[in-house]
Amino acid sequence: EADIYQTPRYLVIGTGKKITLECSQTMGHDKMYWYQQDPGMELHLIHYSYGVNSTEKGDLSSESTVSRIRTEHFPLTLESARPSHTSQYLCASSELGRNTEAFFGQGTRLTVV
Amino acid sequence: SQQGEEDPQALSIQEGENATMNCSYKTSINNLQWYRQNSGRGLVHLILIRSNEREKHSGRLRVTLDTSKKSSSLLITASRAADTASYFCGWATTDSWGKLQFGAGTQVVVTP
Repeated sequence: EADIYQTPRYLVIGTGKKITLECSQTMGHDKMYWYQQDPGMELHLIHYSYGVNSTEKGDLSSESTVSRIRTEHFPLTLESARPSHTSQYLCASSELGRNTEAFFGQGTRLTVV
Repeated sequence: SQQGEEDPQALSIQEGENATMNCSYKTSINNLQWYRQNSGRGLVHLILIRSNEREKHSGRLRVTLDTSKKSSSLLITASRAADTASYFCGWATTDSWGKLQFGAGTQVVVTP
């Protein structure tokens, strides 16, 4: 089992609410990622980080924001949730290096009503 | 997908048969990785092949990589019902950050 945790597993929330999806890992990994997964399965990279105070936007434009104040913690925030944000969000981490595998959390299924 | 594709999108086979799925990507890569996802769960790493490797084996898995064609294949031999899952290829780009991107996945159903 990978030591990377996402909370909550499921979240149903009303439009306009602010939400934060939590992701924590205990492996000391420098790289961390957030992916958005469509119902049709494709994973889209929305944010990534290569260490504390380092964050970059991914290939899919997202209204969410992230922070990396501690190595083990990489939360994702939506200031004002909309139904279009309904999706599965997956967090992952890996060691710094060119040929390293990623470890994934169990995901957060977000539904905005 | 703008970054790559996998085919087939879905595959249904019987136990004991082999399952083959293909992946194409569009960028320069350091490595290509295959992952498995059970319904509603996170991805689990299966195998990594480096850009200077052409073939790699791990148990019942065989992966090939053709960097000239920017493509890879995953073969699962002697499939079992427990192999039922979605399979994703991911590639680590050669830019300074080496971000990991994924294709759309192949849904595999293995019937007893």
